[in-house]
Amino acid sequence: EDQVTQSPEALRLQEGESSSLNCSYTVSGLRGLFWYRQDPGKGPEFLFTLYSAGEEKEKERLKATLTKKESFLHITAPKPEDSATYLCAVQETSGSRLTFGEGTQLTVNP
Amino acid sequence: GAVVSQHPSRVICKSGTSVKIECRSLDFQATTMFWYRQFPKQSLMLMATSNEGSKATYEQGVEKDKFLINHASLTLSTLTVTSAHPEDSSFYICSARPITSSYNEQFFGPGTRLTVL
Repeated sequence: EDQVTQSPEALRLQEGESSSLNCSYTVSGLRGLFWYRQDPGKGPEFLFTLYSAGEEKEKERLKATLTKKESFLHITAPKPEDSATYLCAVQETSGSRLTFGEGTQLTVNP
Repeated sequence: GAVVSQHPSRVICKSGTSVKIECRSLDFQATTMFWYRQFPKQSLMLMATSNEGSKATYEQGVEKDKFLINHASLTLSTLTVTSAHPEDSSFYICSARPITSSYNEQFFGPGTRLTVL
């Protein structure tokens, strides 16, 4: 059974204070690892898909990386508008379903 | 691009009534749509996978007779919560995967907040 564990559960940063969120996963065969951002009371917003170890993708202040066991979402010089819950999900090669982690709730204080 | 809408955004109903939630892909076609449920401070739990023109596939523990799913076209899937009870109160979110996508990503709707009194 696929397992996704995200850490930390919650993270408070000062504006400009860079940090990383972790997503550890166990899957029989990885088709893709997905990062989403979710604001309160809204659906998840797609950020990145990573497919193979060593792959990196960037979008504004966010950078996602992937190894064979985990993925990191690096946030560089965050701003208050980056405050949200960040969700990681895996999709295995045998199907289309996504298995989500519990998320990391990020708060960036001005 | 890749916009998914849901209607209604929130609904309050009495126990025992049925509620229908619509999920539409606005600017793309999707043979596969997914329905999730999310309880407060918890992550998304997949309820069922909806395929256009065929029966939905339900996850273990999800009652198919209670949560009726219809995927009648390449842009519309509906979830009907039948005889809703207070324990069905939750945030229901759909997602859709574009036919043309080679990256398998799913795009999510804004969610529907269901409150059963």
